[in-house]
Amino acid sequence: DSGVTQTPKHLITATGQRVTLRCSPRSGDLSVYWYQQSLDQGLQFLIQYYNGEERAKGNILERFSAQQFPDLHSELNLSSLELGDSALYFCASSPRGFTNEKLFFGSGTQLSVL
Amino acid sequence: GQQLNQSPQSMFIQEGEDVSMNCTSSSIFNTWLWYKQDPGEGPVLLIALYKAGELTSNGRLTAQFGITRKDSFLNISASIPSDVGIYFCAAETSGSRLTFGEGTQLTVNP
Repeated sequence: DSGVTQTPKHLITATGQRVTLRCSPRSGDLSVYWYQQSLDQGLQFLIQYYNGEERAKGNILERFSAQQFPDLHSELNLSSLELGDSALYFCASSPRGFTNEKLFFGSGTQLSVL
Repeated sequence: GQQLNQSPQSMFIQEGEDVSMNCTSSSIFNTWLWYKQDPGEGPVLLIALYKAGELTSNGRLTAQFGITRKDSFLNISASIPSDVGIYFCAAETSGSRLTFGEGTQLTVNP
């Protein structure tokens, strides 16, 4: 158990819909990262937050947004969903968000867009 | 952007055999990491390497940070069925985010 909690574990929705994925980091970790894992691609970095502020942005679509709340949990919002958005979405956390810190991953949310 | 080329993409081996996989890049990195992902789970860190030439072991696993800082390998000795999973290399350099390879799917036949 990594200590990172993601909910829900599975999500099935239709094209055009909007969903919210939730992540609670390990106790004491201030930084949260979101990754997308598709079948034909490895882990793609989406976005990072540190103590409530956006720190780095990766290949995140404009239809996607995220935030980190004062209690340090984070939510990833995916809107106007398309079939190609079907993927595993992972949240990871680290203590201070430095680039050489080890990341601890949650078990992921499997999103299926039908 | 920075890209990691991980090989092989998949491996089918017999229990007891040794395994070797590697990652290469045209970019120089400061840190190399190896993760394992079990089915239905997130990646778990196996080994972290912070210095060029560093050789680090974790049980039956051994990994090395290449001298050129552009590559790394992971060896698994005397494989067992629970070694099954996807192995990812990952690397970072100052000011950049962690970049992941595309993974090596390992199957171990008892």
